[in-house]
This record gives sequence, structure tokens and C-alpha cells, in this order.
Amino acid sequence: EAGVTQFPSHSVIEKGQTVTLRCDPISGHDNLYWYRRVMGKEIKFLLHFVKESKQDESGMPNNRFLAERTGGTYSTLKVQPAELEDSGVYFCASSQAARASGDTQYFGPGTRLTVL
Amino acid sequence: QKEVEQDPGPLSVPEGAIVSLNCTYSNSAFQYFMWYRQYSRKGPELLMYTYSSGNKEDGRFTAQVDKSSKYISLFIRDSQPSDSATYLCAMIPGGTSYGKLTFGQGTILTVHP
Repeated sequence: EAGVTQFPSHSVIEKGQTVTLRCDPISGHDNLYWYRRVMGKEIKFLLHFVKESKQDESGMPNNRFLAERTGGTYSTLKVQPAELEDSGVYFCASSQAARASGDTQYFGPGTRLTVL
Repeated sequence: QKEVEQDPGPLSVPEGAIVSLNCTYSNSAFQYFMWYRQYSRKGPELLMYTYSSGNKEDGRFTAQVDKSSKYISLFIRDSQPSDSATYLCAMIPGGTSYGKLTFGQGTILTVHP
């Protein structure tokens, strides 16, 4: 079974440009999460989808970030316009169970974003 | 103050040593406690999962949770070079915060032959 995949693995853009990250969860997983790790800091929650609906977007830093999950399958995270502080590794995770108990989240390898 | 504190290390031990990794937390609402292992250029991988207080053992790994002290630990016995990775503690509150993991900063572990 394929795991969580993310594309691209690495993106280098200039400040002010737009970047779109993609995540393909494990097939059949209704829950999809985005996390981000900024250099030197801990991994932080961004948002949580249940199917195509945003369950919790309390971690989204500002309105330059837009996440979508069309049809409840893959998800995209768009940063527009990108700022220097957006640099970091963006992780996607998916899980099958809706509750915390037994809600094992499977992580993708991450997209390393560098904003120059 | 961070909700979860974890010493980033790095920690270097010889093969066969017992490794102790720890996290402290401030939010008493945390009910579910996890340890993730992350190899270089990979995503975090769930290693241990514990609900509330107590111990859980899985092979060479033992997870301990002491809710009264807000302290969790991961012990690795007979450590191997393949255990070299970053170890992340993560927690979820009870109630409706399903899936929203709060991570520690991660401890970089190197086990040398």
C-alpha cells in the first residue's frame, strides 16, 4: 500500500511568488492534516480536513495560506505571496479514525520550502 | 512558554546502551501521548502510543507517562546504530481536539558502533 506522498520534495522560490504544495493521503483516509516545521522550531499543526471539510484551521498563520481538499482526496496548500518566514518543511499526514484514540497519523516525507 | 519541552540534544551513545528520552508538558488536558521517530529526509513515523498514565512496552522500547508530574519518557534498550534518528514526543488533548498533535522539538540521537 502506498504511503502519504507529497510533491514537490523541495521548492525554492523568491519572496512574493506563489507556491502550491500537494499531498496525496493514503487511500481511504478521511482525515488529512498539514503541519509545518520552521528551522530550529518544533513541528506545528496548521489544519485538519475531514474529507473535503476543514475541521480545524486554527494553526494557519495568516490569510496568505490557502488549503483545499477537493473531492476529499488529495489536498493542496498554496502560499501567496510567499514571505521569508514561510521557509520550512511542510508535512502532510493522514489517518483513518476520526477520534484521537487509535488515530494513528501517517506522515509524508515533507516538502522543503525555501523562500529567498 | 512552550506547551511541550524536549531537550534537542544531540545525544550520542555507544551501541548497546540504554537510551532515555524525555518530554515535559504544561497543558494538563493532554491525554494521548506519542513518540515518533524521524529519519533524515523522511516524515515522522509513529513508534509508541500511550493513553493517560502508565507504561507500555514494545520490544526494545518502553514508553512511560507520569501525568502527575507532566512528564513522559521513552527508553530504548540495547540501542542499535539503526536507532539513530530524531525522536519526537507528541500529545493530543482529550475531548474534541482530535488529531491535532502538539510536538516537542525532537531529540537527535546517534548510536555509534
